[in-house]
Amino acid sequence: EAGVTQSPTHLIKTRGQQATLRCSPISGHTSVYWYQQALGLGLQFLLWYDEGEERNRGNFPPRFSGRQFPNYSSELNVNALELEDSALYLCASSPPGPYGYTFGSGTRLTVV
Amino acid sequence: QKEVEQNSGPLSVPEGAIASLNCTYSDRGSQSFFWYRQYSGKSPELIMSIYSNGDKEDGRFTAQLNKASQYVSLLIRDSQPSDSATYLCAVGTGNQFYFGTGTSLTVIP
Repeated sequence: EAGVTQSPTHLIKTRGQQATLRCSPISGHTSVYWYQQALGLGLQFLLWYDEGEERNRGNFPPRFSGRQFPNYSSELNVNALELEDSALYLCASSPPGPYGYTFGSGTRLTVV
Repeated sequence: QKEVEQNSGPLSVPEGAIASLNCTYSDRGSQSFFWYRQYSGKSPELIMSIYSNGDKEDGRFTAQLNKASQYVSLLIRDSQPSDSATYLCAVGTGNQFYFGTGTSLTVIP
C-alpha cells in the first residue's frame, strides 16, 4: 500500500514569491492535514481538509491556504513568502474516525 | 487553545534501561491518544495508540493513560540506541489531534 506522498521534496523560493506544495493521501483516507515544523520546533497545525471541505485551520495568516480535490489529494499554497516560512511542511492523512495520522516525508521549503 | 505539554528533554538513558516519557493535556474531553517517534530530519511515525484508561503494551513499548489526571505516558523497555529520537504526544477527539512539542531521547551505548 502506498503511503502519503508529498511533492516536491525540496523547494527554494525567493521572498515575496508563491509556493505550492502537493500531497496525495493513502487510498481510502478522506482527511488531509497540513503541519509546519520549523527547525527545532514542534508541529504547528495549519489546515485540515475532509471530503473537499476545510474543516479547521490553525493560527496562521490568510496567505496560507489550500484545497482538497475530488480524489482527496490536496495542495497547500503559501503566498507572499517570508523568510520565516522556511520550514518542513508535513502532510498527513487519516481514515474516518480516531485512528491517528500517517505522515508523508514532507516538503522542505527554503525562502531566500 | 487545547494544550499538550511534554518535557522537551533531552532525556538520556543507558542502553538496556527503561525510558519514561510523559505528557499532560488540557482538554478533559479528549478521547484518543497517540505517541509518534520522529528521527532527526524525518517525518513522525505512529508507534502507539491508546483510547481507554490503563496500560497498552506492544513489544518493548507500553502506553499508559489516566484520564482523571489528564496524563499519558510511554515506557520503552530495554532501550536501544536506535530508540534515540524525539517522541511526540498527540491528543484529540474525532479526527482533530493536537501535538506536544516532543521529548528528545538519547540512548547511550
